[in-house]
Amino acid sequence: EVVLTQSPDTLSLSPGERATLSCRASQSLSSSYLAWYQQKPGQAPRLLIVSTSTRASGIPDRFSGSRSGTDFTLSISRLEPEDFAVYYCQQSGSSPITFGQGTRLDLK
Amino acid sequence: QVHLQESGPGLVKPSETLALICSVSGGSINSFYWNWIRQAAGKGLEWLGQMSVSGTTNYNPSLKSRVSMSLDTSKKHFSLNLTSVSAADTAIYFCAISPLGYYHFDVWGQGTPVTFSS
Repeated sequence: EVVLTQSPDTLSLSPGERATLSCRASQSLSSSYLAWYQQKPGQAPRLLIVSTSTRASGIPDRFSGSRSGTDFTLSISRLEPEDFAVYYCQQSGSSPITFGQGTRLDLK
Repeated sequence: QVHLQESGPGLVKPSETLALICSVSGGSINSFYWNWIRQAAGKGLEWLGQMSVSGTTNYNPSLKSRVSMSLDTSKKHFSLNLTSVSAADTAIYFCAISPLGYYHFDVWGQGTPVTFSS
């Protein structure tokens, strides 16, 4: 099973700042099989990024994704008030599909 | 735009079978892979399994002996059965779809809560 470890657990920032969220895979993972989601309280997760760096339909361009080896990164260039939420990475390179434990992005 | 709506009993008792339905509207049931995902209160996301329209299933080994899924294309329903439930199965259960050939989840239902009742 591929274990995804997200860091930090909580990130406290202010609107307008840049956020950098990390997701480390326990084994090699193709870029094609890493996605990111945003979840707000009481809501289902919302797909943000697929294939490491491709924004899903309707996602603003302040969201971007990248990788370096087994380290994947979600960046939010300038935080808007609506961006404060929990973010999850997800891999589908091998079964079972797994998620990271989440990073909470809090308003500072 | 495909819309998904989960429904279920809300409360389940020890050793019962949990049965959930995901109702589909606004699109074809044939165009996707179908998934169940759950989330315990305050916890992360756990993928339970996936089914294709051809009937191929892929279940999470952590649940493999207790879980089954089915598709009723005429009713546009996707179902989850989970046997021998316990308190560890208390969670919000989501259905979600993956585009054919891909395994991310681009449309989710709102989720249905399931609580274990002794």
